[in-house]
Amino acid sequence: QVQLLQSGAEVKRPGASVKVSCKASGYTFTSYSMHWVRQAPGQGLEWMGVINPSGGSTAYAEKFQGRVTMTRDTATSTVYMEVRSLRSEDTAVYYCARNRGSSGWYYSDSWGQGSPVTVSS
Amino acid sequence: DIVMTQSPDSLAVSLGERATINCKSSHSVLSGSNNKDYLAWYQQKPGQPPTLLIYWASTRESGVPDRFSGSGSGTDFTLTISSLRTEDVAVYYCQQYYTTPQTFGQGTKVEI
Repeated sequence: QVQLLQSGAEVKRPGASVKVSCKASGYTFTSYSMHWVRQAPGQGLEWMGVINPSGGSTAYAEKFQGRVTMTRDTATSTVYMEVRSLRSEDTAVYYCARNRGSSGWYYSDSWGQGSPVTVSS
Repeated sequence: DIVMTQSPDSLAVSLGERATINCKSSHSVLSGSNNKDYLAWYQQKPGQPPTLLIYWASTRESGVPDRFSGSGSGTDFTLTISSLRTEDVAVYYCQQYYTTPQTFGQGTKVEI
């Protein structure tokens, strides 16, 4: 069965960076793109971007352009998302979510358990 | 960006009764090339990640009970829970995947 195992909780100072990982199993890693979605405390869902593990191509929400980088390691079936220049508004749970389908960006059919990130001085 | 607006923000429904959630997009999410609506619904229970309920506006994900149904096209969509059960207490989100950035509605909280 599809499993997405994310890294644990992080606490960071404003201005620092954080790198969240998402290890996939139960399917062919390079056949499905991976979205990243975040959820601030008590708030809704916010799409951040998507990476195609096959070639490494990415698409980011304009809001995160230049501050977020998504990468992948095909040897370990892991995708990563780094957020730089953290501010308090980045405090959220970050989810990886598998894109249904091998070409194009579609809905997410499996989600990781979430990685809480707290930004506080 | 396409703005997704859900209504109501919350609703309380008696057990066994129908729950109806609406979702309106600021731009049509109906593709002219394949005649499909790029609209999904998710359920999120407290402390858990979202789970997929419906995609292409009306296709139920495998394993989702048939009391959940989706309808609508273009800019107006509806999620219906035909007979509410205790385990359906959750927040429900619509999402458009017609274009990036993908966007979600603000969520609708369903309570008993």
